[in-house]
Amino acid sequence: DAGVIQSPRHEVTEMGQEVTLRCKPISGHDYLFWYRQTMMRGLELLIYFNNNVPIDDSGMPEDRFSAKMPNASFSTLKIQPSEPRDSAVYFCASIPGSPLGEQYFGPGTRLTVT
Amino acid sequence: DQQVKQNSPSLSVQEGRISILNCDYTNSMFDYFLWYKKYPAEGPTFLISISSIKDKNEDGRFTVFLNKSAKHLSLHIVPSQPGDSAVYFCAAGGGGSNYKLTFGKGTLLTVNP
Repeated sequence: DAGVIQSPRHEVTEMGQEVTLRCKPISGHDYLFWYRQTMMRGLELLIYFNNNVPIDDSGMPEDRFSAKMPNASFSTLKIQPSEPRDSAVYFCASIPGSPLGEQYFGPGTRLTVT
Repeated sequence: DQQVKQNSPSLSVQEGRISILNCDYTNSMFDYFLWYKKYPAEGPTFLISISSIKDKNEDGRFTVFLNKSAKHLSLHIVPSQPGDSAVYFCAAGGGGSNYKLTFGKGTLLTVNP
């Protein structure tokens, strides 16, 4: 399997622009997670889905952030409008329907908002 | 408030010696703990885990120790190899949901040849 796929790998945008990050989980995995990594806060869980349904979005920082999972093989994280403080590395991860928490991470998208 | 803390941002050891990475947690509801390793420009990869019903788990050169009373866990790497140089994250889950992991900020391990 190709693993979790994220695109783009790097994104540079100006403040106020809309940014869309994409993720393709491992086939057959029922859970999908979005994380954000910053120097100040480390790796934080933003939201996670089970069978395409958002289960917990308590980590989403504010209404500018939204995430969707229209089908089992695709998810998006959108920031509108973007701000410089959104600059971070965003990771997507997935796991099969198991009670254990070994999550498989994608390579991440490095977002820079100028 | 950080519920999972890795107080050492970095650690440097000689090849062949033991590396000990430490992690403290504050939430007594955590009952499942994991270590992830991360190389630059890659996502974290799972290394080893331990459930709160155990105090030790071993996998090859990697051993994780859990001290529930002290709310402390550690990762031992013996012997350390240059390829082990990476950032190591401690993560904790529990309270009925091992899916919602809380991560520490990571420790950069450098193994010198």
